[in-house]
Parts: sequence; C-alpha cells; structure tokens
Amino acid sequence: KQEVTQIPAALSVPEGENLVLNCSFTDSAIYNLQWFRQDPGKGLTSLLLIQSSQREQTSGRLNASLDKSSGRSTLYIAASQPGDSATYLCAVRRIPNTGKLIFGQGTTLQVKP
Amino acid sequence: SAVISQKPSRDICQRGTSLTIQCQVDSQVTMMFWYRQQPGQSLTLIATANQGSEATYESGFVIDKFPISRPNLTFSTLTVSNMSPEDSSIYLCSVEERFSSSGNTIYFGEGSWLTVV
Repeated sequence: KQEVTQIPAALSVPEGENLVLNCSFTDSAIYNLQWFRQDPGKGLTSLLLIQSSQREQTSGRLNASLDKSSGRSTLYIAASQPGDSATYLCAVRRIPNTGKLIFGQGTTLQVKP
Repeated sequence: SAVISQKPSRDICQRGTSLTIQCQVDSQVTMMFWYRQQPGQSLTLIATANQGSEATYESGFVIDKFPISRPNLTFSTLTVSNMSPEDSSIYLCSVEERFSSSGNTIYFGEGSWLTVV
C-alpha cells in the first residue's frame, strides 16, 4: 500500500530565506508526482508535476526534484515571500487511467515579513 | 489549465438531509473525480465520475451515500446523502487534462465546505 509522508509538518521562516520541503513515498512504482498549494479553506492549486521519467521541474521560484528509486521528492522555494504562506501537499499517482492521487499530510509554511 | 467551478462553496446542513454539489468545467475533460478532505486531514478519493455510466467508487465509499452523476464531459454532481456530523468536510471536484502541455496534470476546484449540525 502506497504511503506518502511529508516532513516537516510545519515550518516558519523569515522572508527571503530559501527552503526545502520534503516528500517521501513507500512504493517507487509511480506514474507521476504532483505538488500542490492549499490556502486555508480553499481548494488546491497545482504547482508542479514530475513524470516518473523526469528528475526535476521548475516554475519561477519553485523547483521540484524526484528520486524515484529512493522514494523521495523535494520542493525548493527560493527567496520566500509572505505570500508563499500556505499548506504544501505532495501527491503520487500510480496508475495513469485511474487518476487516483495518494496525498501526504502536507507541510504548513509560514513566511514572516 | 482547466477552470473548475463548484457550487455551493459553503453550506450548513441539518443532520439527516442530503445536499448536491455541482462541478462545472470550462472545457471538455476525459476524467473527473470527487475527493473529500476531513478537518485537519489530507485528501481522499471518493470516486471517479464516468460519463454516461455509474461512477467507480473507492473502498469505503458507496453509491447510496454518495450518488454521483456525470451527464456530459463538462459537468458532474456529488450528493452527500443522509448527512451526519462526520460528513462535515471539504468536498473537491478534480479533473485531468490529458495531452496538455503540462502532461496529465490533475486540477482541483475551490471546494465545497459542508458543515453538518
């Protein structure tokens, strides 16, 4: 059974810091991995998707890496801003046609001005 | 990316009643899904909404409790039946955009936050 773990559960940093969020999964047989952002009481915003054959994806200040063999992904946020404060979720997808995502519990990030 | 609209965004419901949540997508999508997020928890897939046929439910979820319709490629509904306080959750519609430049990305709506009293 696939399990996804995110560490740390919460993180507080001063504005301007670079930071790394961690995601690990127990079954390396994944189709892809997706990082989301969730603001309180809101839906999910897709940030980055990494296919199983890829090593990393970048979008603006965000960089996500994937090491499938070790069951790990990281989300790197450069030059953090107060607007980055949110919960970040990673989710893995094992089978392409089912669309079922297995989510981690999330990392709640607070960036202080 | 697909734009997903859900109604209602929030509601307070009486125990024992049923509520239908609507999901409208601005483009035709191949796959639509319904997820639940209980307070303080992460997301769990309820079912895949299949166009023109019965939804495919995940373990622990049944059609009598969560009937789903999908009459076309842009619209789906989820009904939460005979509600109890344990059904208080955010219910989220999601879709997959295949063959897009972002490659099988799954997108989510803003969610419908239900509180059962």
